[in-house]
Amino acid sequence: DSGVTQTPKHLITATGQRVTLRCSPRSGDLSVYWYQQSLDQGLQFLIQYYNGEERAKGNILERFSAQQFPDLHSELNLSSLELGDSALYFCASSVAHRVTDTQYFGPGTRLTVL
Amino acid sequence: AQKITQTQPGMFVQEKEAVTLDCTYDTSDPSYGLFWYKQPSSGEMIFLIYQGSYDQQNATEGRYSLNFQKARKSANLVISASQLGDSAMYFCAMREGNAGGTSYGKLTFGQGTILTVHP
Repeated sequence: DSGVTQTPKHLITATGQRVTLRCSPRSGDLSVYWYQQSLDQGLQFLIQYYNGEERAKGNILERFSAQQFPDLHSELNLSSLELGDSALYFCASSVAHRVTDTQYFGPGTRLTVL
Repeated sequence: AQKITQTQPGMFVQEKEAVTLDCTYDTSDPSYGLFWYKQPSSGEMIFLIYQGSYDQQNATEGRYSLNFQKARKSANLVISASQLGDSAMYFCAMREGNAGGTSYGKLTFGQGTILTVHP
């Protein structure tokens, strides 16, 4: 158990819908990261928050947004869902943002868009 | 250009034997970190071992060791005394930073190597 929690574990929805994925980082970690894992793209970095502020953006679609709240939990919002958004979405956390800081991953949310 | 390359899509090893999983990387940053993660069939990503670009010695964590060859830009994972539970996908990843060691952003992952341990 990494100490990072993600809910829900599985999510099945229809095209055009909107979903929210939730993540609670390990106790004491200030950085939260979101990754998408799909068969064709592999593991792709989406976005990072540090202590409530957005710090880095990766290949995140405009239909996707995220935020980190004062209690440091984070939510990833996916809207106007398409079939291609079906993937495993991971949240990870680290103490800070140094190169040496290990990112610990949550169990993931498996999203299926029908 | 690929930042992280794992050239072995699949590897097989006999139980109790050692196995090496290859990883090469590409960066011009002087400060970077290299990480290995294990992803069993259940899907979670499990951190295994870390090597920093300035570390003089190869990292070790129990049965895991990292063969770090900086000049060759390789960071191979060595698993000693393989166990059936080691069967999983293994990912090599890199985090780049500036000279001060600060890094905002991502881990860049390789495509992974599927390891199968035979009894």
